Amino acid sequence: ETGVTQSPTHLIKTRGQQVTLRCSSQSGHNTVSWYQQALGQGPQFIFQYYREEENGRGNFPPRFSGLQFPNYSSELNVNALELDDSALYLCASSYRGSTEAFFGQGTRLTVV
Amino acid sequence: QKEVEQDPGPLSVPEGAIVSLNCTYSNSAFQYFMWYRQYSRKGPELLMYTYSSGNKEDGRFTAQVDKSSKYISLFIRDSQPSDSATYLCATINPLTTDSWGKFQFGAGTQVVVTP
Repeated sequence: ETGVTQSPTHLIKTRGQQVTLRCSSQSGHNTVSWYQQALGQGPQFIFQYYREEENGRGNFPPRFSGLQFPNYSSELNVNALELDDSALYLCASSYRGSTEAFFGQGTRLTVV
Repeated sequence: QKEVEQDPGPLSVPEGAIVSLNCTYSNSAFQYFMWYRQYSRKGPELLMYTYSSGNKEDGRFTAQVDKSSKYISLFIRDSQPSDSATYLCATINPLTTDSWGKFQFGAGTQVVVTP
């Protein structure tokens, strides 16, 4: 176990709705990155948070947004859900400057 | 063109065989290379990472990086049914601002080890 926990584990939403996914980082880690993994694909970087600020973003539209809290936990929010948003959403916690990142078990989002 | 290419498989081998996995990448600035293992319905777990070119061994696992050909390999010796999983290669570019944790992943290769 990595110590990174995500909730919920599964979620079904309707197109157009909004969703919030949560991640608790491993103790001592101050950086959280979010990834989207479509079926049969590798994870795609969405964005990263460090010290409660967004610290880099991948090729995802603004309807993907996030937060990081003082205890380094993080949320991923997706507005106006589309069918293509159906995927496994992973968060990875790390210590800034480290090459090692530890992933949670993911949240599987299905948009219908 | 994706920055990291990986054959999705599936790759099926008998128990005890050597599993050979590889990736190619396009950006010569990539310096750190990682291999993650992902079991079904789980998050990826870090197996090994290497810096620049060379080999690294950890038990039954050996990672190789050839920067001249932009080629990354992972070998699993004496494969076991418990090694059945998807193996993801990943890399980062340390020259980009604040690149740590922002990995470029391959698509993953599904490995099946049959008893």
